[in-house]
Amino acid sequence: QVQLQESGPGQVKPSGTLSLTCAVSGGSISSNYWWSWVRQPPGKGLEWIGEIYHSGSTNYTPSLKSRVTISLDKSKNQFSLKLNSVTAADTAAYFCARGSVYSSKGVYYYGMDVWGQGTTATVSS
Amino acid sequence: DIQMTQSPSSLSASVGDRVTITCRASQSISSYLNWYQQKSGKAPKLLIYAASSLQSGVPSRFSGSGSGTDFTLTISSLLPEDFATYYCQQSYSTPYTFGQGTKLEIK
Repeated sequence: QVQLQESGPGQVKPSGTLSLTCAVSGGSISSNYWWSWVRQPPGKGLEWIGEIYHSGSTNYTPSLKSRVTISLDKSKNQFSLKLNSVTAADTAAYFCARGSVYSSKGVYYYGMDVWGQGTTATVSS
Repeated sequence: DIQMTQSPSSLSASVGDRVTITCRASQSISSYLNWYQQKSGKAPKLLIYAASSLQSGVPSRFSGSGSGTDFTLTISSLLPEDFATYYCQQSYSTPYTFGQGTKLEIK
């Protein structure tokens, strides 16, 4: 079955760039799924960051849109997150996830059904 | 953005209890509502999509209902492994916002 695995540096300096990668195994990143990033600050709830489709189409949360880029690397079967100008508020566990489309009674719905284990990124000098 | 509000924020219950968690959207989202379970230090797990459809492999003691702005997640008879934090998420429009979570604790 499909598995996702995040990787990246655990610590980033303030004003720097956070770069994370999500490796997809057991399936192709070119399949009809959305590939997403979600984060969770320590002790807090989940925040959806954005997603990319296999075609390259992206959606981002407005509060981060000016600082975030999600991209695909089909040759390596992985996708990536870059977050610029980071501050302490960006310290969080970052999860990658697969967004699937489900059909129910002729209507299409979306849910994130496969998740990576998460990786912690700390913004600190 | 669509705001999602869950209640209660925390809940104490015993094994065997029936529990209900509520999620309210700031505008109508039809049935575009997901429920996730997250255990401490782990990734979320999709339980329910389309407000009431059980994800494959999820036990039938979990059920969801609602449409429009008001939704519920019910666990019919709690097992020890159900003590976790539960999140609702709207998938009506991006950004796909989550509720703040409901922590289900053992009484």
